[in-house]
Amino acid sequence: DTAVSQTPKYLVTQMGNDKSIKCEQNLGHDTMYWYKQDSKKFLKIMFSYNNKELIINETVPNRFSPKSPDKAHLNLHINSLELGDSAVYFCASSHWSSGNPFGDNEQFFGPGTRLTVL
Amino acid sequence: GQQVMQIPQYQHVQEGEDFTTYCNSSTTLSNIQWYKQRPGGHPVFLIQLVKSGEVKKQKRLTFQFGEAKKNSSLHITATQTTDVGTYFCAGSHSGAGSYQLTFGKGTKLSVIP
Repeated sequence: DTAVSQTPKYLVTQMGNDKSIKCEQNLGHDTMYWYKQDSKKFLKIMFSYNNKELIINETVPNRFSPKSPDKAHLNLHINSLELGDSAVYFCASSHWSSGNPFGDNEQFFGPGTRLTVL
Repeated sequence: GQQVMQIPQYQHVQEGEDFTTYCNSSTTLSNIQWYKQRPGGHPVFLIQLVKSGEVKKQKRLTFQFGEAKKNSSLHITATQTTDVGTYFCAGSHSGAGSYQLTFGKGTKLSVIP
């Protein structure tokens, strides 16, 4: 059973298009994340949701809009795609630790979606 | 924002040699996690360190957390080709809770057989 799944795995599209990436986790976690990994492998957090509520929104263009219909899903919609959006996007999930550093905080990552904007 | 610096960015070693990657934060960390990403794969959790001066071992991997909880290291003894990948540290800063990890830029390890 896949713990964190993402679709599609690959996405090739033209500049200016709108696209969505879906993420689902079956781990019973209440916190989900989107990360962007660029060609240099830098892993940068974009958004975090806890119990369907937005917790973190890093400096991401408002062309990116996350949507969490329930705790098990966090989708990412991107409007007006640009060349610089080309990257691998990872979804992840974890338990919420309420600031407890000893908590079970590990993040489980999905397989990634490689987005190429032409 | 919070930053976690990780060095080196790349490391090439002969199989059997040791390897170490280092992470530093300018501020105190609540805990630090380490992840490994194989080529073409996704980050996979290795370990979490919480206590000042903590040392944990997983077979040939030794993880350390500094006394001031501002730095950490991962040491691999006698590298094997299966160790190839990028190793990331990820720090959680005091008061931030689990919902935000700041990842280092990673150290890409190549092992020459």
